[in-house]
Amino acid sequence: EPEVTQTPSHQVTQMGQEVILRCVPISNHLYFYWYRQILGQKVEFLVSFYNNEISEKSEIFDDQFSVERPDGSNFTLKIRSTKLEDSAMYFCASSGAAEWVSNQPQHFGDGTRLSIL
Amino acid sequence: KQEVTQIPAALSVPEGENLVLNCSFTDSAIYNLQWFRQDPGKGLTSLLLIQSSQREQTSGRLNASLDKSSGRSTLYIAASQPGDSATYLCAGFSGSRLTFGEGTQLTVNP
Repeated sequence: EPEVTQTPSHQVTQMGQEVILRCVPISNHLYFYWYRQILGQKVEFLVSFYNNEISEKSEIFDDQFSVERPDGSNFTLKIRSTKLEDSAMYFCASSGAAEWVSNQPQHFGDGTRLSIL
Repeated sequence: KQEVTQIPAALSVPEGENLVLNCSFTDSAIYNLQWFRQDPGKGLTSLLLIQSSQREQTSGRLNASLDKSSGRSTLYIAASQPGDSATYLCAGFSGSRLTFGEGTQLTVNP
């Protein structure tokens, strides 16, 4: 069964450094997402992306964050200047085409654990 | 703002038991609802998507129901097995975003 793959599985970075998290969504999917889960807390929505632009973003997704689909297969999340509170598991997800985006299930990768020192 | 709540937070049952996990949401504008399982240190595995026009959705031993008027969804697991042990999350769609509950940690004892 097709999967969403994320690399790396664990990233350790010094505070203030830039980090790029990478995802390969399921190949025929058109909608892409990033979520995060701080240890012991709920999974939180960050951003959705469709047709090469952001569809929705949460209040968490401030100017420090950006997303990009640099080629036909990858989807990246960049954090420009990391803070201690950015430490979390970051999940990429994708979903297929539908008249309503919510009519298709979102499929998640295994996540990247980001640790900021 | 959408809020999703799951009860109970943890549940421990003997193997073979049928069980129900509960999810409630505050915003009736929720379109659809998706149930996931999460194994420790792993990602989220999609179990069922139930659309607002549906009342039930079934996959194998799993059955999910959705009642928008009361703001509730349930996940029924029949004949539970130790391999079902995981955290179960419900999430409601608002537009393209999913809003998640805290999850129910299920342990099925052999």
